Parts: sequence; structure tokens; C-alpha cells
Amino acid sequence: GAGVSQTPSNKVTEKGKYVELRCDPISGHTALYWYRQSLGQGPEFLIYFQGTGAADDSGLPNDRFFAVRPEGSVSTLKIQRTERGDSAVYLCASSLGPGGSGNTIYFGEGSWLTVV
Amino acid sequence: GNSVTQMEGPVTLSEEAFLTINCTYTATGYPSLFWYVQYPGEGLQLLLKATKADDKGSNKGFEATYRKETTSFHLEKGSVQVSDSAVYFCALSGNTPLVFGKGTRLSVIA
Repeated sequence: GAGVSQTPSNKVTEKGKYVELRCDPISGHTALYWYRQSLGQGPEFLIYFQGTGAADDSGLPNDRFFAVRPEGSVSTLKIQRTERGDSAVYLCASSLGPGGSGNTIYFGEGSWLTVV
Repeated sequence: GNSVTQMEGPVTLSEEAFLTINCTYTATGYPSLFWYVQYPGEGLQLLLKATKADDKGSNKGFEATYRKETTSFHLEKGSVQVSDSAVYFCALSGNTPLVFGKGTRLSVIA
């Protein structure tokens, strides 16, 4: 597709359950990012992939959060033992090269996660 | 660490009014600076960017100038429209991925 695609767009899950969120970046983009946006806040960085490897995972809040990008394209963000505080919009983004070098970063529309 | 501070909203303006949204930053080195916009029901979109001091980014009538001496990147538009109603985020990118401000909600009324 032309843009960053995220699925599901909405997910309601029960506390304690496991959740997977998928991101399909723009074709050819080597850099992929996950952010989390709570209501009334700006996006907060979670993890950054360059190719298949996590170049920076310093934003993951704890070991319940994990992300993979096995073939250097699609990425999955995995959340174990979900808590109500995990409710937020999870944003995926991609860029042609590393974002720090001034490459434009393009965002998907996000996956709304609600933990009840 | 790197951080961005932008003016709190919400900001409510009448159509054709002048807009300024203040943004200041703290960063090591020479970051690139961005304004992103989030229209209702849509994803974040890049509005404009500047990659070095004194650069001016511009798009859709919006402008922002990278001021190293005041560590600022204020967003301006001379005449806002109802369709500009959105949340605006200032962001920087240095040796780390994008760091965002908290966002400023703009409402433009006819």
C-alpha cells in the first residue's frame, strides 16, 4: 500500500490477556518505529528497528512489551499480561533511512487498544 | 536528554486570525525540527521541517524558523481556516528517534 498500515484499528481486551498489534510499513523503508500515545499526550517512543534488528528499545516500559521484525518489513508489537494502564493508541511509523539523519518519518493511523 | 516544550492549548481562533504556537527544545548537538499535525480521525502527518539553524520550513501557509540562539521553532500562519482545526505537535530528531511535545489543539471557528 501507499502508506503505513496498522491492524487492528481497534482492540478491546481483558486485563491479563495477550495482545499482538501489526504494522506494515511503506515498501522499501528500512527504519520502523513504534510509539504509544495516551489521551492528551504526545507520542512516546517505544522501539526502533533498522532492518530486522532493534536498534533502540529504550522506550519499552517493561518486559511485558516486546516487538519483532523478522524479515525486515512487517513488525508485530506484543504485549503480555495486559494492564488497564496499557490502554492507548499504538502508532507505527517508517522512514527510508534512519530518522536521526533528517529522513521524513511517516505514521500509520494507529491501533486503539482498550484494556478492560 | 532531548525534550520539546510547546504551548498548552486549547487555542481557539476566528477564521482569518493570525496563529502562533510556541515550541522550544532542549537537545545535544544539532537536531532536525518538525511540526506534525493530526486532523480529527486521521493519523499524524508531517506538516513541515527544518534540518539546520536559520532554515525555514513551510507548507500549506504554515511557517516555522529554526532558531538555534533561542532554541525555538515556533509555528505561524497568517490567516487560519476552519480546516486547520487539528492537534499540532512539535518534534525533534537528533541521535535518537523523534521526540514529541504534548501537542496543542487548535480550533478555528467561522
